[in-house]
Amino acid sequence: QITLKESGPTLVKPTQTLTLTCTFSGFSLTTRGVGLGWIRQPPGKALEWLALINWNDNEYFSPSMKRRLSITQDTSKNQVVLTMTNMDPVDTATYYCAHGRILEWLVRDFEYWGPGILVTVSS
Amino acid sequence: DIVMTQSPLSLPVTPGEPASISCRSSQSLLYTNGYTYLNWYLQKPGQSPQLLIYLATNRASGVPDRFSGSGSGTDFTLKISRVEAEDVGVYYCMQGLQTLPITFGQGTRLEIK
Repeated sequence: QITLKESGPTLVKPTQTLTLTCTFSGFSLTTRGVGLGWIRQPPGKALEWLALINWNDNEYFSPSMKRRLSITQDTSKNQVVLTMTNMDPVDTATYYCAHGRILEWLVRDFEYWGPGILVTVSS
Repeated sequence: DIVMTQSPLSLPVTPGEPASISCRSSQSLLYTNGYTYLNWYLQKPGQSPQLLIYLATNRASGVPDRFSGSGSGTDFTLKISRVEAEDVGVYYCMQGLQTLPITFGQGTRLEIK
């Protein structure tokens, strides 16, 4: 059974750095064809993809967010950490991590999602 | 970026009636391997998105067969043969052909009349 859960601060101040952790079980990020993605959703708005790391340790970032994002994985702990610098109130959103299936180096789908964590950016 | 455009944005449906949602991409989602990298998700109220359809036409595990996906190239459709009350929520299409960036449609809100 695959499960994922996001953790981290629910309130950050403008200009601060956000660090979110996705802890997962039921799969390994070293298995070919597996990836882990981060997607966010501002309140009442659509989904926005942020980042992906795959079994080959390749990292992909949304071009519009690339300068602010980094992603790392700890395979021994089954965790992936997303870091976003210089937070702004417009970054207020629910942040999801999701198990991705990769087919020929492209994202086939996000089959399993965590419950999400609402992060509010406010002074 | 590949732009994903859904219509309608709001869809009131009577239970038992069919429903259809359209998704158009700004470029073809067919890859050289013959697969079309288009997914459909349903986000029920207060929940995370759940995968309904992958590779344009394949139902995900556990998805009722009243849901079906069709289309090719740039035009795709999600159909619900008979809407049930549990189908309410926001439906999103997503393309995975271009990783930088992966893009979603703006969402279609299905509500029960």
